[in-house]
Amino acid sequence: SYELTQPPSVSVSPGQTARITCSGDVLPKQYAYWYQQKPGQAPVVMIYKDIERPSGIPERFSGSRSGTTVTLTISGVQAEDEADYYCQSADSSGRVFGGGTKLTVL
Amino acid sequence: QVQLQQWGAGLLKPSETLSLTCAVYGGSFSGYYWSWIRQPPGKGLEWIGEINHSGSTNYNPSLKSRVTISVDTSKKQFSLNLNSVTAADTAVYYCARGFVDSSGYYYVYYFDYWGQGTLVTVSS
Repeated sequence: SYELTQPPSVSVSPGQTARITCSGDVLPKQYAYWYQQKPGQAPVVMIYKDIERPSGIPERFSGSRSGTTVTLTISGVQAEDEADYYCQSADSSGRVFGGGTKLTVL
Repeated sequence: QVQLQQWGAGLLKPSETLSLTCAVYGGSFSGYYWSWIRQPPGKGLEWIGEINHSGSTNYNPSLKSRVTISVDTSKKQFSLNLNSVTAADTAVYYCARGFVDSSGYYYVYYFDYWGQGTLVTVSS
């Protein structure tokens, strides 16, 4: 088993750039995925395979990787982006989520 | 359009067995893994386990001794049983489709469709 570590919270003003990190020793060997979860709703995948964006996800959401850390970047943050964000990775036998980061739009 | 619809008992007493079922509408049932994920109130997501159409399962080691996931391919349904529940099992339980691709250099696995979630409360 392995762990993914995220900061508990990130705050940003509207129009600014938010960066949410996810760290784990497994990340150089496996893809990372990002989910957005709003209160009372199921998570929605925002980024897959580190950098790919599903259809319908705004271009302001992007992903990147550097060594053991992957980053979700939200450019030009909007009020509607306030939510919890989770990273996730997987190997052939298990699936793991990070602890989640609450993004607050000031 | 793929939809997952889940149901099951929402209130249990300690030591009882949690049972949930998820039905898949639209899309193929084979070629994916079908997972259960839970989220305690105010906390993060925890993967419980999964099954594919042929009945092959993987479980979270921390829950493996109490979890059984089964599948009924004729109905495109899969189910979760978690026995000997305690208050620590109180959570919203989600079913989800796991998209998997092991053909490339890196293993690909993520959850692309989710059920609506079921709050299960364990209380005496």
